[in-house]
Amino acid sequence: GQQLNQSPQSMFIQEGEDVSMNCTSSSIFNTWLWYKQDPGEGPVLLIALYKAGELTSNGRLTAQFGITRKDSFLNISASIPSDVGIYFCAGQLWGAQKLVFGQGTRLTINP
Amino acid sequence: DVKVTQSSRYLVKRTGEKVFLECVQDMDHENMFWYRQDPGLGLRLIYFSYDVKMKEKGDIPEGYSVSREKKERFSLILESASTNQTSMYLCASSWADPSTDTQYFGPGTRLTVL
Repeated sequence: GQQLNQSPQSMFIQEGEDVSMNCTSSSIFNTWLWYKQDPGEGPVLLIALYKAGELTSNGRLTAQFGITRKDSFLNISASIPSDVGIYFCAGQLWGAQKLVFGQGTRLTINP
Repeated sequence: DVKVTQSSRYLVKRTGEKVFLECVQDMDHENMFWYRQDPGLGLRLIYFSYDVKMKEKGDIPEGYSVSREKKERFSLILESASTNQTSMYLCASSWADPSTDTQYFGPGTRLTVL
């Protein structure tokens, strides 16, 4: 099945650092979503993007829908311990009911 | 708030057993999904359903079946569990309207097959 290429696969950072991760695809997506999964829990939606070029913020999180519709990035500023978890990008093809997920980025923060 | 619940957080079964994983959502969503999550592979779609008694295969349906007799409930069935089905299983639901297609996830069931 189709998958998105998400990178990096893991990150080890110091508290207070900024974080950047991205997803790319060979296909054009109609929607990009970013989810976070806390340990032992299901993924929770962070940000949804519906238009090419769209830049959306949610607190310290900022995400952009690439202008080519084939990529998206997520930035986290001034990381804190509760940012630890796995971050997933997901894309939806036009007319499809299902999402395609990236492999995930595991974020670890050293206090 | 949308609530998606899964019947068990942890499950241990033996090879060859029939396993039922239950998922219930309370938002009258049309669509429901079953994924499995494995390290380094992200979320892979097993089956999804866009209406009662309707189902479609996802990317990895082999060894699984599903049942949707009521709109709020979507069951994943492992007819004869095998060790390679040890994984985290996640259920999700969403509206059918593409403009509001965000999927909401349950907490997951970690299944171990011995």
